[in-house]
Amino acid sequence: QQQVRQSPQSLTVWEGGTTVLTCSYEDSTFNYFPWYQQFPGEGPALLISILSVSDKKEDGRFTTFFNKREKKLSLHIIDSQPGDSATYFCAASAGGSNAKLTFGKGTKLSVKS
Amino acid sequence: DPKIIQKPKYLVAVTGSEKILICEQYLGHNAMYWYRQSAKKPLEFMFSYSYQKLMDNQTASSRFQPQSSKKNHLDLQITALKPDDSATYFCASSQDGTANERLFFGHGTKLSVL
Repeated sequence: QQQVRQSPQSLTVWEGGTTVLTCSYEDSTFNYFPWYQQFPGEGPALLISILSVSDKKEDGRFTTFFNKREKKLSLHIIDSQPGDSATYFCAASAGGSNAKLTFGKGTKLSVKS
Repeated sequence: DPKIIQKPKYLVAVTGSEKILICEQYLGHNAMYWYRQSAKKPLEFMFSYSYQKLMDNQTASSRFQPQSSKKNHLDLQITALKPDDSATYFCASSQDGTANERLFFGHGTKLSVL
């Protein structure tokens, strides 16, 4: 059973456009939701994260939204750039003393110029 | 310079053999992890260590054994290799292994089992 579902599997947007990636989860104990960005041949790197007590967090061109009632979150990238082309993973953890992350399958983003 | 060093970058093994994946981190972190990324599955948590003690083990098979000889080392020994073990194995670290910490990942070791 997949605990974190991510969509779409792949996405192509034009340079300057807005990218929207979505995730849903099932475990109500999840309270921390990071987004990781992975370039080919590299490990994932933290992009932005949000706690369940918040509904929005912004960092430059990247914004993540969280809807606790619907158990959904999203990542918005405005003014998408070719350098944003990467695979994006949403993840979740339940907090406490355990830092274990449960990841979605990822969205492969291609930004065309 | 990479702060988390994984060796080797690529590894080819024969079914039934044993391999050790090496991980060293130079971030001064106290917690280290192993994750596995295979073609059709999400990135999967395997082990977490904090202050050289095993904190969590989500690997069903005893063929996977983490080994921590120093605080900044967490190697992964895999015995009796199977083709299904083919994946990229990522080592990661965080400050203390507590909740909501940022994980830093290495570049991974891509293992192919023939």
